[in-house]
Amino acid sequence: QVQLPQWGAGLLRPSETLALTCAVYGGSFSGYYWTWIRQPPGKGLEWIGESIDHGGSTTYNPSLKGRVTISLDTSKNQFSLILSSVTAADTAVYYCARGRPLGGAAALHYWGQGTLVTISS
Amino acid sequence: DIVMTQSPDSLAVSLGEGATINCKSSQNILYTSNNMNYLAWYQQKPGQPPKLLIYWASTRESGVPDRFSGSGSGTDFTLTISSLQAEDVAVYYCQQYYITPLTFGGGTKVEIK
Repeated sequence: QVQLPQWGAGLLRPSETLALTCAVYGGSFSGYYWTWIRQPPGKGLEWIGESIDHGGSTTYNPSLKGRVTISLDTSKNQFSLILSSVTAADTAVYYCARGRPLGGAAALHYWGQGTLVTISS
Repeated sequence: DIVMTQSPDSLAVSLGEGATINCKSSQNILYTSNNMNYLAWYQQKPGQPPKLLIYWASTRESGVPDRFSGSGSGTDFTLTISSLQAEDVAVYYCQQYYITPLTFGGGTKVEIK
């Protein structure tokens, strides 16, 4: 069973940088796209992006306009989300998830528990 | 981006009765080379991450009760709960994984009447 505990700072000021990390236990780290999704309070789900260790292929949601970086640490089986220049609009619960396999497609079978990040001055 | 539109926004159903949620994609999400629809359904309860119920439009995730079923193809999809139980109160989302950015429907809140 794949488990994805996640952690990171929960309160930031506008213009600061959001940083979250997700660990992967119980399954292969290699060969999957590792994904971040967010959900503003009381609203729907927004896919942020995905990354895989094979060739460093990474894809981001254009809506985040170059503020986002997803990185992988294969030595620790962890992946991270960096979102710069945050505003109140970035207040959300952020989820990590296991995405599709290399060369394939898949639904999001495994999710982290979520981290509420609040942006407030 | 592929836009996913769910209806209704909410519905109230008596215990034991059926519930139907619709999802429409702005583009065809049936991949003709393998005849698979790249559509998933999730259930989300308050304070919890979404839980995968259905993938490939009609395949139940392991452990999901058989009262949940998915159908449809191309651009029109349906999630059916055959006999609503109290534990089914939740928000349900459809999602396409045909192409990035992956996109979700706006959600349907299911309550007990």
